[in-house]
Amino acid sequence: AQSVTQPDIHITVSEGASLELRCNYSYGATPYLFWYVQSPGQGLQLLLKYFSGDTLVQGIKGFEAEFKRSQSSFNLRKPSVHWSDAAEYFCAVGAAAGNKLTFGGGTRVLVKP
Amino acid sequence: EAGVAQSPRYKIIEKRQSVAFWCNPISGHATLYWYQQILGQGPKLLIQFQNNGVVDDSQLPKDRFSAERLKGVDSTLKIQPAKLEDSAVYLCASSLDKVPSNEQFFGPGTRLTVL
Repeated sequence: AQSVTQPDIHITVSEGASLELRCNYSYGATPYLFWYVQSPGQGLQLLLKYFSGDTLVQGIKGFEAEFKRSQSSFNLRKPSVHWSDAAEYFCAVGAAAGNKLTFGGGTRVLVKP
Repeated sequence: EAGVAQSPRYKIIEKRQSVAFWCNPISGHATLYWYQQILGQGPKLLIQFQNNGVVDDSQLPKDRFSAERLKGVDSTLKIQPAKLEDSAVYLCASSLDKVPSNEQFFGPGTRLTVL
């Protein structure tokens, strides 16, 4: 069975500082990996996804993520955080058949002025 | 392009009552999903439809939850009777098809509080 672990429940970062959110997955085959962001009262918005090819993927809002098969990780990064990046971030792994997503528990990001 | 619509946005009921949620997916999307998101957790898939057929309902508590997607467009999710532990946000999502390359688009969710 597939699973996703996000070790950090909360992260506080200063505006302008860099951000890295950790994600570890368990999946028997080549994973389909996603990062979503959820702002208060909003639905989930896709930031980026990895299916194959280049292990460094670029997403929207200046985010990027790196797939490391040897570490079963798909960490999300942003070089310089803006106050509007305060939200909850979810990593997810998708099944090859059926497009079922399994989400991690999420990491809440707080941005200090 | 209109997004995924859900109603109501908020619902408060007492335990043992019944409740229904409605979802209108993006036009032309064949696949529809219902997720349950308990406070402090990530969303968990309850049921997935492909047109009007069920693809996966392995995590749907079928003794109290039911869902349908008549005519392969709108969908309703029902809980009867509700329990305290059903308090959660219920998210509806849709995608063009059920292959992983098709992005899932999420609605704003319905926040259910069971007292």
